[in-house]
Amino acid sequence: DIQMTQSPSSLSASVGDRVTITCQASQDISNSLNWYQHKPGKAPNVLIYAASSLETGVPSRFSGSGSGTDFTFTISSLQPEDIATYYCQQYDNLPRTFGQGTKLEIK
Amino acid sequence: QVQLQESGPGLVKPSETLSLTCTVSGGSISTYYLTWIRQPPGKGLEWIGYMYHSGSANYNPSLKSRVTISVDRSKTQFALKLSSVTAADTAVYYCAGEYSKYVGSYYHYYMDVWGKGTTVTVSS
Repeated sequence: DIQMTQSPSSLSASVGDRVTITCQASQDISNSLNWYQHKPGKAPNVLIYAASSLETGVPSRFSGSGSGTDFTFTISSLQPEDIATYYCQQYDNLPRTFGQGTKLEIK
Repeated sequence: QVQLQESGPGLVKPSETLSLTCTVSGGSISTYYLTWIRQPPGKGLEWIGYMYHSGSANYNPSLKSRVTISVDRSKTQFALKLSSVTAADTAVYYCAGEYSKYVGSYYHYYMDVWGKGTTVTVSS
């Protein structure tokens, strides 16, 4: 299985801050990486696919970059509604695997 | 817009079989890989497996000997069966649809639609 190492596991930031989360794959996955937002009691929601492509309808403050084994997810200006847990997920190979998640809180 | 809803018992006894159903509404599932994912308490997301509507399935090797995913003929429901459960199978279970998008000469896959999840506790 491809292991996905995500960091940090939790993050506290202020409204308007730039927030960055990293995800490292245990082997080269090219750009086969998604980022999801998961709010408590709700279904997860894909924000970024193919490492850097913004899903339709997702605000432009969300972005992703990287290729190979190292990936970054960024919120350019944190908004109160962004409070959630964020997960990376690889689809280069089966089984699909997720990072451990980053719980984002407002400071 | 396709919507998914999980249903099934919230409590299962150890050694028994966990059975969940995902009901599809609002559209066709024929373009999706029908997926089950779970999240144990305090842990991250674990992919259980998926089935394409044609009937071909792939399962997580860690669960493969105990898992069956099936789709009904009407293609409005798909199911998860997990046998010989233990407390380690206690989790929130999600059904989801994995979508393939062709961009730049490559296919990209992501879970495009999810249910809200159902909690299953394994306890006597």
